[in-house]
Amino acid sequence: AQSVTQLGSHVSVSEGALVLLRCNYSSSVPPYLFWYVQYPNQGLQLLLKYTTGATLVKGINGFEAEFKKSETSFHLTKPSAHMSDAAEYFCAVTYNYGQNFVFGPGTRLSVLP
Amino acid sequence: EAGVAQSPRYKIIEKRQSVAFWCNPISGHATLYWYQQILGQGPKLLIQFQNNGVVDDSQLPKDRFSAERLKGVDSTLKIQPAKLEDSAVYLCASRIIAGGSEDTQYFGPGTRLTVL
Repeated sequence: AQSVTQLGSHVSVSEGALVLLRCNYSSSVPPYLFWYVQYPNQGLQLLLKYTTGATLVKGINGFEAEFKKSETSFHLTKPSAHMSDAAEYFCAVTYNYGQNFVFGPGTRLSVLP
Repeated sequence: EAGVAQSPRYKIIEKRQSVAFWCNPISGHATLYWYQQILGQGPKLLIQFQNNGVVDDSQLPKDRFSAERLKGVDSTLKIQPAKLEDSAVYLCASRIIAGGSEDTQYFGPGTRLTVL
């Protein structure tokens, strides 16, 4: 069964510092990979997704992620954190696009002034 | 464009009571998902509809949970009877099958259920 792990349930960074949120997945077949952001009392919003093609994916709000097949990873980065980035971030995987989405447990990002 | 609508936003019930949640997807979205998100965890897929047919309900506790999507538009998720462990946020999402950047899930704000 497919699964997703996110290292670090809570990450704190200073404003302007690099953001790195880790995601690893289990896979025996090529996956489709997603990062979502969830603000308090709101639903999830797609940040970016990898389906095929270029392994470096750029998303909204300055975030990007790189699919590394050899490491089964899809880490999320942003060069400079902003206070408005404070939220919960979820990595998700599916092997049959549109079905059987599996979400990771989430990482809560705090941005310190 | 209106987003995915859900109601109610909050619900508090006693255990063994019944509860129902409603979802109105984005117009034209054929696929609809219900997720359960327990505090501190990621969303877990409960059921997926394609128009008014069920695509996947393998993780739906069918002894107490039921869902329907009559006419392939709105959907209702019901719990009867509720247990303490059903306390969670219930998220609805919809998706248009079009390929490209717009082919993604759009989530509603969720219904927060507290079972006492």
